Amino acid sequence: AQKVTQAQTEISVVEKEDVTLDCVYETRDTTYYLFWYKQPPSGELVFLIRRNSFDEQNEISGRYSWNFQKSTSSFNFTITASQVVDSAVYFCALRAVWSGYSTLTFGKGTMLLVSP
Amino acid sequence: DVKVTQSSRYLVKRTGEKVFLECVQDMDHENMFWYRQDPGLGLRLIYFSYDVKMKEKGDIPEGYSVSREKKERFSLILESASTNQTSMYLCASKPGQYSNQPQHFGDGTRLSIL
Repeated sequence: AQKVTQAQTEISVVEKEDVTLDCVYETRDTTYYLFWYKQPPSGELVFLIRRNSFDEQNEISGRYSWNFQKSTSSFNFTITASQVVDSAVYFCALRAVWSGYSTLTFGKGTMLLVSP
Repeated sequence: DVKVTQSSRYLVKRTGEKVFLECVQDMDHENMFWYRQDPGLGLRLIYFSYDVKMKEKGDIPEGYSVSREKKERFSLILESASTNQTSMYLCASKPGQYSNQPQHFGDGTRLSIL
């Protein structure tokens, strides 16, 4: 069975602080994909990043960075110098292969509130 | 850009009604998905479809059915709506089974069952 755990339900920071969102996953597959999505108050889920299990390189995109560590089954997301527009719910997800068809298993999400 | 359109942002229905939620995508994607999102529970997969007229149950299919008569459209049906189906419903699509592309989501439908 696949499982994604986002232990932080809600995080509050002040603008310009750095913040890290944790994601821990469980899977028996040797090949899998991990994703992060952002859900702003408007409701739509916006894709941020995909990482496959063979690529443990960390990635940086502007103020966003991701730290993938297979040894600890974690795929953490850091926002540097947070801004009010970063306020959203963030979901980590794992691509499962179930009954021959790939689906996503989502964590329960972390709500990030950035105050001015 | 991929566009996934859900027919309603907000919907209010009564207990026992048959409710249809519609989703259309414009990128010729083979796979389409319906999720519901509830506070503290995250997103849970209701049904998905890997091709026209094909469907598979997700984690919580009870009380729902789906229809995929055309590739671009995937409908979620609440056969007899109940108050515990009040939720946010999200539709998503992606290219075929072996594609590494992410799922693209619609804006969601906030459904209230009174």
